[in-house]
Amino acid sequence: EVQLVEFGGVVVQPGGSLRLSCVASGFTFADYSMHWVRQAPGKGLEWVSFITWDGGSTHHADSVKGRFTVSRDNNKNSLYLQMNSLRAEDTALYYCAKDAAAFPYYYYYMDVWGQGTTVTVSS
Amino acid sequence: DIQMTQSPSTLSASVGDRVTITCRASQSISGWLAWYQQKPGKAPKLLIYKASSLESGVPSRFSGSGSGSEFTLTISSLQPDDFATYYCQQYNSNLLTFGGGTKLEIK
Repeated sequence: EVQLVEFGGVVVQPGGSLRLSCVASGFTFADYSMHWVRQAPGKGLEWVSFITWDGGSTHHADSVKGRFTVSRDNNKNSLYLQMNSLRAEDTALYYCAKDAAAFPYYYYYMDVWGQGTTVTVSS
Repeated sequence: DIQMTQSPSTLSASVGDRVTITCRASQSISGWLAWYQQKPGKAPKLLIYKASSLESGVPSRFSGSGSGSEFTLTISSLQPDDFATYYCQQYNSNLLTFGGGTKLEIK
């Protein structure tokens, strides 16, 4: 079964840092690009970051650019999101999601999602 | 960034109804649009990609259409399991954006 499990969400103070992780199983992780998408409480979906299968290319939303960094370790079937200079508006449920296309393509839409991990930025 | 606007934001309908949700892009995105369904407390689920292609396993009562900047998601005959929130997402640009969502409620 294809599965994504996120963890690392906690309560953190404004200005703080946090690293989220997502562990993949049931598919060849190294063959797929990956995304982070977040959802603030009671709000809609917001795409955060994208990384290609080999980590060679990344994109971030303007709202997190310069503060968040996506990375991956294909040997550990893991995706990461390093979050620095956190703000109250970063409070959300963070999902990792698999891109729908396998190497050497990427489609930029998501066909498998995890259940999310909650980040709360508050003093 | 490309802005995506969904309408209506809330839709009340009954089982068996045909419903249509609209998604408009701030510029042409060709056919690079996906639709997702999200139920409370659950992760989103992919329904449609490339504007009109049905994801494997999704019931055929769901269909998508459109190109350029205007798109629709249609549910031909609402089932109880379909009451959820629906989001469109453009992928014409590598800065991906979602619509604000349409909550489909039971009338």
